[in-house]
Amino acid sequence: QVKLVESGGGVVQPGRSLRLSCEASGFTFSSYAMHWVRQAPGKGLEWVALISYDGSDKYYADSVRGRFTISRDDSTNTMYLQMSSLRVDDTAMYYCARRVAAANMAFDPWGQGTLVTVSS
Amino acid sequence: DIQMTQSPSSLSASVGDRVTITCRASQSIANYLSWYQQKPGKAPKLLIYAASSLQNGVPSRFSGSGSGTDFTFTISTLQPEDFATYYCQHSYNTPPAFGQGTKVEIK
Repeated sequence: QVKLVESGGGVVQPGRSLRLSCEASGFTFSSYAMHWVRQAPGKGLEWVALISYDGSDKYYADSVRGRFTISRDDSTNTMYLQMSSLRVDDTAMYYCARRVAAANMAFDPWGQGTLVTVSS
Repeated sequence: DIQMTQSPSSLSASVGDRVTITCRASQSIANYLSWYQQKPGKAPKLLIYAASSLQNGVPSRFSGSGSGTDFTFTISTLQPEDFATYYCQHSYNTPPAFGQGTKVEIK
């Protein structure tokens, strides 16, 4: 079945870096654009970044542009989010999601999430 | 950027009730509107896409309508498993954006 599994979260000090991974299975990963979305504790959903199916186009939320980098490796069916200069307000559950063009670009499915805590 | 305004932010309802949530976009998004359900500690789940299309496997008591700037999400007969938070989201352009969510609680 179609599945996304995030990993790489943890506790990190402000100003440090962390790399998240999203491993895909059950579909042709190289045919789909992919998103990162985050959710701060007790808050709503915030879109973070998008990478096109071939990696040629990348888009970022204003809140992370210049600090986060999205990438993908189609040979391993994995998407990444390199996070640097982390701030306390980056603390959140980070989800990856597939963009489904046939569903008017809806996000489906989502991974289970990986928790990033930025704290000194 | 397009902003999504969802209302109400929370509501209390009983099993069997009809529940309606509205979502308004700051500009026209045609039908590039999705609805998601999120239960505590779980990832969001797609229920409705293209404003009114039911995702495979989602019960028919869930429905959506609207186009342009105004959208509605309805649960026709609330079931115990439907108590959750619901989000609208536009995918008309980048950045995509979510509404602030509606928490459906037990009355």
